[in-house]
Amino acid sequence: AQSVAQPEDQVNVAEGNPLTVKCTYSVSGNPYLFWYVQYPNRGLQFLLKYITGDNLVKGSYGFEAEFNKSQTSFHLKKPSALVSDSALYFCAVRDNDYKLSFGAGTTVTVRA
Amino acid sequence: GAVVSQHPSRVICKSGTSVKIECRSLDFQATTMFWYRQFPKQSLMLMATSNEGSKATYEQGVEKDKFLINHASLTLSTLTVTSAHPEDSSFYICSAYGTLSYNEQFFGPGTRLTVL
Repeated sequence: AQSVAQPEDQVNVAEGNPLTVKCTYSVSGNPYLFWYVQYPNRGLQFLLKYITGDNLVKGSYGFEAEFNKSQTSFHLKKPSALVSDSALYFCAVRDNDYKLSFGAGTTVTVRA
Repeated sequence: GAVVSQHPSRVICKSGTSVKIECRSLDFQATTMFWYRQFPKQSLMLMATSNEGSKATYEQGVEKDKFLINHASLTLSTLTVTSAHPEDSSFYICSAYGTLSYNEQFFGPGTRLTVL
């Protein structure tokens, strides 16, 4: 079965500092990996995805993620965090039936 | 593009009543819609997969007689919580994919259900 793990429940950073949200995956075959962000009482917003191609994926709002096959990781990064980036972030993996399996989520708090 | 709406955004009902939640794809045809349930500060749990014109496929442990799903058209899927009880209180989110992109699911804004 496909799965992802987000080892950190919370990440706290100061505004302007780099932000990293970790995700590792376990799949059979080629991974289809996604990052979503959720603001309170809202649905999920798509940030970026890895299907194939370059290991460094650029997405919305200045976010990027690096696919690392040897470490089975897909960490989300932003070079300079904003207070408005404070939200709940989910890593997800898609199976052949297009179903998404989500990680437990990581709450990001960016302090001014 | 790729807008998915849900209605209502919030609903409060009495125990024992039924509640219908609509999920619409506004600018594309959704061949498949998914329904998720999310408890506070927790991840999304897939409840069922809904394909237009066919019966929904439910995940293990989800009561299909309690959570009725109808995907009557390529732009509309409904989730009806029958005989709702307080333990059904949750945040329900739908997603869709289809003619716009088969590599990406587009999520609705969610519906907060509170059963008194």
